Amino acid sequence: DIQMTQSPSSLSASVGDRVTITCRASQSISSHLNWYHQKPGKAPKLLIYAASSLQSGVPSRFSGSGSGTDFTLTISSLQPEDFATYYCQQSYSTPSSYTFGQGTKLEIK
Amino acid sequence: EVQLVESGGGLVQPGGSLRLSCAASGFTFSSYSMNWVRQAPGKGLEWVSYISSSSSTLYYADSVKGRFTISRDNAKNSLYLQMNSLRAEDTAVYYCATLLTYGGYNWFDPWGQGTLVTVSS
Repeated sequence: DIQMTQSPSSLSASVGDRVTITCRASQSISSHLNWYHQKPGKAPKLLIYAASSLQSGVPSRFSGSGSGTDFTLTISSLQPEDFATYYCQQSYSTPSSYTFGQGTKLEIK
Repeated sequence: EVQLVESGGGLVQPGGSLRLSCAASGFTFSSYSMNWVRQAPGKGLEWVSYISSSSSTLYYADSVKGRFTISRDNAKNSLYLQMNSLRAEDTAVYYCATLLTYGGYNWFDPWGQGTLVTVSS
């Protein structure tokens, strides 16, 4: 099974900060990597698919990069609505292997 | 508007059964593969099960294999998860999610709002 490891597990930042979250796969997954965020009590929401493609309607301050085993999600200038938990997900091979990272909780400093 | 609405969650005793439903609207449900994903209280996301658009292909997480059954009724635009032999560790919010595919890449979007299943005596 492919394991996904996110870092950091939690992060404190201020409005306007530039933030980067990292996701590492236990084996190469090419660009089969998605990013979601989730606010308390709400369903996850897709931000980035295929490692770097911005989902329609998602602000351009969000960007994704990477391929192979190492990926990053960057928020260029944090807004109040961005404080949430972020998950990466690999979608390599069959759906039975579409594992998620453990999550990164982004909190207000 | 594309929408997924789960229902059927609740409190059930260990060893009991529950059937979750997910009603889809705003898109051609019969054309898309679907998934169930769960989230235990305070924990991360765990993929549970997958069903192809025609129900010909099914996948389950090892943690639920042999106890849960995924199904769908394309005429009713509905997805189901039959959960038997429930355990305390199955306590979670259960989300249904559409699998989108383009250019060889896959992702989950949209997601339903979730339904809470609590397994406790």
